Amino acid sequence: QVQLQESGPGLVKPSETLSLTCTVSGVSINITTYYWSWIRQPPGKGLEWLGYVYYTGATNYNPSLESRVTISVDTSKNQFSLKLTSLTAADTAVYYCARDQFSRGYYFLDYWGQGNLVTVSS
Amino acid sequence: DIQMTQSPSSLSASVGDRVTITCRASQKINRYLNWYQQKAGKAPKLLIYGASFLQSGVPSRFSGSGAGTDFTLTISYLLPEDFATYYCQQSYTHWTFGQGTTVDMK
Repeated sequence: QVQLQESGPGLVKPSETLSLTCTVSGVSINITTYYWSWIRQPPGKGLEWLGYVYYTGATNYNPSLESRVTISVDTSKNQFSLKLTSLTAADTAVYYCARDQFSRGYYFLDYWGQGNLVTVSS
Repeated sequence: DIQMTQSPSSLSASVGDRVTITCRASQKINRYLNWYQQKAGKAPKLLIYGASFLQSGVPSRFSGSGAGTDFTLTISYLLPEDFATYYCQQSYTHWTFGQGTTVDMK
């Protein structure tokens, strides 16, 4: 079955760069109807979409974070990754990776990882 | 950015109740609207996509409707496992989520 698993640090210092990887199993990341997204959720708050990557490397980012976010894909490893620069305490959140499916003309997030809590603190 | 506003922010209900949650977009988004359920400590789960298409495996007591700017999620008969937080999300451009509606036990 389709599974996504985030990996990366749980604690990062302010001003540093966060790097997270999502490993996809049960489906090829190369399939043309799938995009691969990152979403985050600060403790006790709502969901914020960060952006997605297509298997070709094409990306689409949240405009409010675009200057700090880079999402990339490694099809040989069936993985995609997130880099978020210039961290502050406001970036403390659970970071989720998810599959963004395109079907019947619509996009929707149908499979999610379990989430990776990242705390920004010195 | 397209702003998504859910109402109410929270509601108290009993098992067997019919529950309705609304979501309004700040501009027209056709039917590019999805609904998710999230339980504490878990990732969100897709319920409805394209405003009214039921995701595979989701019980038929969940339904969605609407188009343009106004959308509704309805749970026809609330079960104990339905107490959770529900989010709408637009997929028209640069996805955004509503602030969430928490359904708790009356």
